[in-house]
Amino acid sequence: DAGVTQSPTHLIKTRGQQVTLRCSPISGHKSVSWYQQVLGQGPQFIFQYYEKEERGRGNFPDRFSARQFPNYSSELNVNALLLGDSALYLCASSLAGQGGEKLFFGSGTQLSVL
Amino acid sequence: AQTVTQSQPEMSVQEAETVTLSCTYDTSESNYYLFWYKQPPSRQMILVIRQEAYKQQNATENRFSVNFQKAAKSFSLKISDSQLGDTAMYFCAFMKHRRSGAGSYQLTFGKGTKLSVIP
Repeated sequence: DAGVTQSPTHLIKTRGQQVTLRCSPISGHKSVSWYQQVLGQGPQFIFQYYEKEERGRGNFPDRFSARQFPNYSSELNVNALLLGDSALYLCASSLAGQGGEKLFFGSGTQLSVL
Repeated sequence: AQTVTQSQPEMSVQEAETVTLSCTYDTSESNYYLFWYKQPPSRQMILVIRQEAYKQQNATENRFSVNFQKAAKSFSLKISDSQLGDTAMYFCAFMKHRRSGAGSYQLTFGKGTKLSVIP
């Protein structure tokens, strides 16, 4: 079975641009979460979606948005990029209900903002 | 708000030896989950072990075991018979317990401990 897949693996953007990151969850998983991992730090929670509804949002500005599609895949959008948005963006999926606390992560998208 | 503290930025261990990574946390919740995740150079976060706070028995997964001290809010990871493939960043993480299907499954991570296994 395929794990969580993220695309692209690497991305270079300039300040002020917009970026879209994509995530496909493990088959059967209905919940998708997004995390930002700045170099040398642990991941920080950005969003969680379940059944296309936002279920949680971390302390990130409105420049960050996300959505979940009927097939449970998800996109993370970041507008007006800043240098500080350079980070590894991790997507995680999980089951709904029992066992939903076990998150399975993808290998991430490395975003560099120049 | 919950906080997770890992006080050892880096550690090293000889192959086949045992090493213990420390983690403390702060929360007012009574029911929650604690996790250890491993992040090798491939960057993928891999779940190592999970502990439910209402279970007093310490979790074990093969060579990995935890020492969960709820009153002290301490959650350490012991790796026995260390292998070269254990070289990675290790993150301790906290999650509030939620009713099935309700609310957000949100992890709060520590800053990590870089573990090097020496041949």
